[in-house]
Amino acid sequence: QSVLTQPPSVSAAPGQEVTISCSGSNSNIGNNYVSWYQQLPGRAPKLLIYDNNKRPSDIPDRFSGSKSGTSATLAITGLQAGDEADYYCETQDLSLISGRVFGGGTKLTVL
Amino acid sequence: QVQLRESGPGLVKPSETLSLTCSVSGGSVSSGSYYWTWIRQPPGKGLEWMGYIYYTGSTSYNPSLKSRVTISADTSKDQFSLNLNSVTAADTAMYYCARGHGGKWGAFDIWGHGTMVIVSS
Repeated sequence: QSVLTQPPSVSAAPGQEVTISCSGSNSNIGNNYVSWYQQLPGRAPKLLIYDNNKRPSDIPDRFSGSKSGTSATLAITGLQAGDEADYYCETQDLSLISGRVFGGGTKLTVL
Repeated sequence: QVQLRESGPGLVKPSETLSLTCSVSGGSVSSGSYYWTWIRQPPGKGLEWMGYIYYTGSTSYNPSLKSRVTISADTSKDQFSLNLNSVTAADTAMYYCARGHGGKWGAFDIWGHGTMVIVSS
């Protein structure tokens, strides 16, 4: 099991909003910045969000991130069929000699 | 534009050493505040951070792999490599190299396409 806990799956209709949660502890999310990645089927992961809520220049503002305490959330608005993918949260973990940890991943299905 | 590309054998026998190389184009493994990282993904499963080599040459490894994994860099070729010894079927996975960006608190902003490694006799 992963150090960071994500729901295995979420679903929503096109045009709707969906949120994906990521729960951790003070050794990881509580004291570090969180990143989010999108992995389309058969593709390498792609950075969506870094520093809790910042987007790389090529990521649309439909994607947003937030953090509160030891949890983080990825929100996707205006869902599109092309958003159907696996999503992973990630951060540093101080209990792992400052190594990195990923959430178990969440499969987003666009209905 | 920095690009990463993994290379190495797609099939490794149990108990042997898995060796992969990541070639960096458009950038240098010895410049900037970057963590040159290996991440793997078993079939149908999630991502696992394996370790990194910092641009200064220092390394950090996942404790679950620490006794078996070594990451090194060849600055003359702008490559960094992964060695994982005593492999078993559980090491069968897609292996990705990625760049952790120090200015983004280590977020992995560039990934290779990945290379599949199967451990089987």
